[in-house]
Amino acid sequence: GENVEQHPSTLSVQEGDSAVIKCTYSDSASNYFPWYKQELGKRPQLIIDIRSNVGEKKDQRIAVTLNKTAKHFSLHITETQPEDSAVYFCAASIRNKLVFGAGTILRVKS
Amino acid sequence: GAVVSQHPSRVICKSGTSVKIECRSLDFQATTMFWYRQFPKQSLMLMATSNEGSKATYEQGVEKDKFLINHASLTLSTLTVTSAHPEDSSFYICSARHRDRNYNEQFFGPGTRLTVL
Repeated sequence: GENVEQHPSTLSVQEGDSAVIKCTYSDSASNYFPWYKQELGKRPQLIIDIRSNVGEKKDQRIAVTLNKTAKHFSLHITETQPEDSAVYFCAASIRNKLVFGAGTILRVKS
Repeated sequence: GAVVSQHPSRVICKSGTSVKIECRSLDFQATTMFWYRQFPKQSLMLMATSNEGSKATYEQGVEKDKFLINHASLTLSTLTVTSAHPEDSSFYICSARHRDRNYNEQFFGPGTRLTVL
């Protein structure tokens, strides 16, 4: 069935360290993989996305890697800052809609 | 560009009443709009996909007679929660797919917090 697994559910890091969040998906036809940051009571905010024809994409401190063979993709945040603290969701396009992972609560301790 | 608005941002209603939520794409035309529900500390769960001028497609387990969706134009979709009950209290978020952009990219509205007393 349509499924996106996300790990870990919570992640605490020291300011300046890196954070990695991983997702796996089930549908080999998925071709679009966005990552969202959501603060309490706010809309999900797209922070980076990757399409299936690319293995890696970077935007300043944020990077995403995609392994289509293994059907998993990861979010990497370097030099974390307290304002990075939020809930992060991965998603995968499955039959023209997005299926979301369960979310990761990221806490950056200063 | 690609701004999506929702109205109202918050609504409190009595059990048994109906509530309408509007989702508008302000600066683009949206071929498809999506409605999600998000309970506290949970992920976004897709309720239905709405295409302009046609009937919405509901996800398994979502009652189409309870959650009425109308997508009358390329910039407006509405979700009506009929005969609301306390268990319908949730954060409802819409998103829209831009007609001229990446086929799968979605732009999210700010959400509507529904509280049913």
